[in-house]
Amino acid sequence: DAKTTQPTSMDCAEGRAANLPCNHSTISGNEYVYWYRQIHSQGPQYIIHGLKNNETNEMASLIITEDRKSSTLILPHATLRDTAVYYCIVRTPNTGNQFYFGTGTSLTVIP
Amino acid sequence: DAGVIQSPRHEVTEMGQEVTLRCKPISGHNSLFWYRQTMMRGLELLIYFNNNVPIDDSGMPEDRFSAKMPNASFSTLKIQPSEPRDSAVYFCASSRSTSEQYFGPGTRLTVT
Repeated sequence: DAKTTQPTSMDCAEGRAANLPCNHSTISGNEYVYWYRQIHSQGPQYIIHGLKNNETNEMASLIITEDRKSSTLILPHATLRDTAVYYCIVRTPNTGNQFYFGTGTSLTVIP
Repeated sequence: DAGVIQSPRHEVTEMGQEVTLRCKPISGHNSLFWYRQTMMRGLELLIYFNNNVPIDDSGMPEDRFSAKMPNASFSTLKIQPSEPRDSAVYFCASSRSTSEQYFGPGTRLTVT
């Protein structure tokens, strides 16, 4: 699976959009980008995933660049409950359903 | 759906004792995963099962660790004998084939 690079930490004002970047410059054509988050003392929670096209669900939007070498997770209106560690993961579908979590980005939403 | 269920939620034991962690996956999911999380090493995949069969146990740290999945609704992770360095939060997750994984609340293990 391709390696991902994320900033260690970020702050965001409550009510504003939180934009979390992820670099995955070695991604292959059949590898998906997944985002999870982990709120303190809880298990990781699935947010969204995509292959080539931008994706949106009730939690967030995922913007993948045309060359697929980077992506951005967007939380449109951050709340205090969005404070968590956010993990960007690249997964090859043919190698089973294994996810390798890196260090992620610690997002703090500020009142 | 109740989600992934893990027990116990907290376990405190003395070095050398046997520890058994339990997991009930979401009904209908055919893949099950055991992870360990520590401050130093982050979230590590220990082993995963597909249709009750262990597929990859390369993350299991050593022979003191073993995992079983006797049926589709139950799995155990056993540590025997336990050591202080095994102290961590152990998560179980389940999924349908290649879809997203759903995690349980974790078991916080402390070995003194």
